[in-house]
Amino acid sequence: AQTVTQSQPEMSVQEAETVTLSCTYDTSESDYYLFWYKQPPSRQMILVIRQEAYKQQNATENRFSVNFQKAAKSFSLKISDSQLGDAAMYFCAYRTGVTGNQFYFGTGTSLTVIP
Amino acid sequence: NAGVTQTPKFQVLKTGQSMTLQCAQDMNHEYMSWYRQDPGMGLRLIHYSVGAGITDQGEVPNGYNVSRSTTEDFPLRLLSAAPSQTSVYFCASRHGTGRGRYEQYFGPGTRLTVT
Repeated sequence: AQTVTQSQPEMSVQEAETVTLSCTYDTSESDYYLFWYKQPPSRQMILVIRQEAYKQQNATENRFSVNFQKAAKSFSLKISDSQLGDAAMYFCAYRTGVTGNQFYFGTGTSLTVIP
Repeated sequence: NAGVTQTPKFQVLKTGQSMTLQCAQDMNHEYMSWYRQDPGMGLRLIHYSVGAGITDQGEVPNGYNVSRSTTEDFPLRLLSAAPSQTSVYFCASRHGTGRGRYEQYFGPGTRLTVT
């Protein structure tokens, strides 16, 4: 089974600053998808950004961008101009590509934004 | 659209009791899945379905049963609850199966406590 590792249980950032959350994964597949999800205290899981493994270009969504290093099996999330509303638990997730039916999540990083 | 709905939001069971967690989606999604979220463990896939009448096991299926008689509904059954099943349960759905960049939509979660 694939594994997803988030080595930073907690991170903090000053409002308006930039923070990077780390994620590594282990797989023997060449075709897969990677995701970052945000979970605020409301418990709702919200998709932040996705990356297809076959794409070399890093995905970006407004203030959120990823650094996808396929050879290193690394998928970090950069949040620019951090806002108070970014405070949440962030989960990295891997989805198998061939069937697309199995998802694996990391253990999460709790992000605190300091005013 | 109501999206993905889950009932109940909270439930307390005694060891050995049975119950069904309900999940419904109104987006005509083929793929539906159940996860459990435990502290420090991230989300783990319990069971999933790629269409009515088709279900399969995920990473942690023991102690849980599922069925999919309609596209809209995907209930999760605990036949004999155990304290180890104390967790937050999420249902999710997405359009399409197999390859495809369709995102998963998550329900609000059910917090289950087994005493």
